[in-house]
Amino acid sequence: AQTVTQSQPEMSVQEAETVTLSCTYDTSESDYYLFWYKQPPSRQMILVIRQEAYKQQNATENRFSVNFQKAAKSFSLKISDSQLGDAAMYFCALLNFGNEKLTFGTGTRLTIIP
Amino acid sequence: NAGVTQTPKFQVLKTGQSMTLQCAQDMNHEYMSWYRQDPGMGLRLIHYSVGAGITDQGEVPNGYNVSRSTTEDFPLRLLSAAPSQTSVYFCASSYRLRINSPLHFGNGTRLTVT
Repeated sequence: AQTVTQSQPEMSVQEAETVTLSCTYDTSESDYYLFWYKQPPSRQMILVIRQEAYKQQNATENRFSVNFQKAAKSFSLKISDSQLGDAAMYFCALLNFGNEKLTFGTGTRLTIIP
Repeated sequence: NAGVTQTPKFQVLKTGQSMTLQCAQDMNHEYMSWYRQDPGMGLRLIHYSVGAGITDQGEVPNGYNVSRSTTEDFPLRLLSAAPSQTSVYFCASSYRLRINSPLHFGNGTRLTVT
């Protein structure tokens, strides 16, 4: 079984500041992928960033970066220079290699304070 | 290119009624899936399909049926609706569920069962 845990139901950050969202996971597989998805009030699900477990280098996409700690099974998302448009629910997700089941965490609601 | 199209956007059912949530994609994706989203529980996989004629159960399949007669369509059937099925339902597709072929989500269907 694979599980994803997001222990922060809600987070807030001042505009232009940096915030880190936490995610831990559990899997018995050695090859897997990790994702962060964003869900704004429109209900759309938008892929923010992705990471292959075999890559030690942390993924980066513009203002979004991850801190991937494989031994600790931790996959946090850092948002730099927070913008009002970053306000959304953020979901961490895990996909085992060769498995067709993407498992999501329970989400973190991020509020941006102007 | 319409992407993933879900219909209807909203639906109210009475307990015991049946209905079908429609999902269609025009990207020639092999993989299609249904999730339900409930407050505090994230997205949970109901059923998925890796190609026409192939379906499998996800995390919460009870009370739902699916079929995949074509590559484009993946309807979700509720045979006898129950209040516990009140939720937001998302259909998602991918060429193949891998790191470089992330999920494309529909805009969701909000279902209320009274």
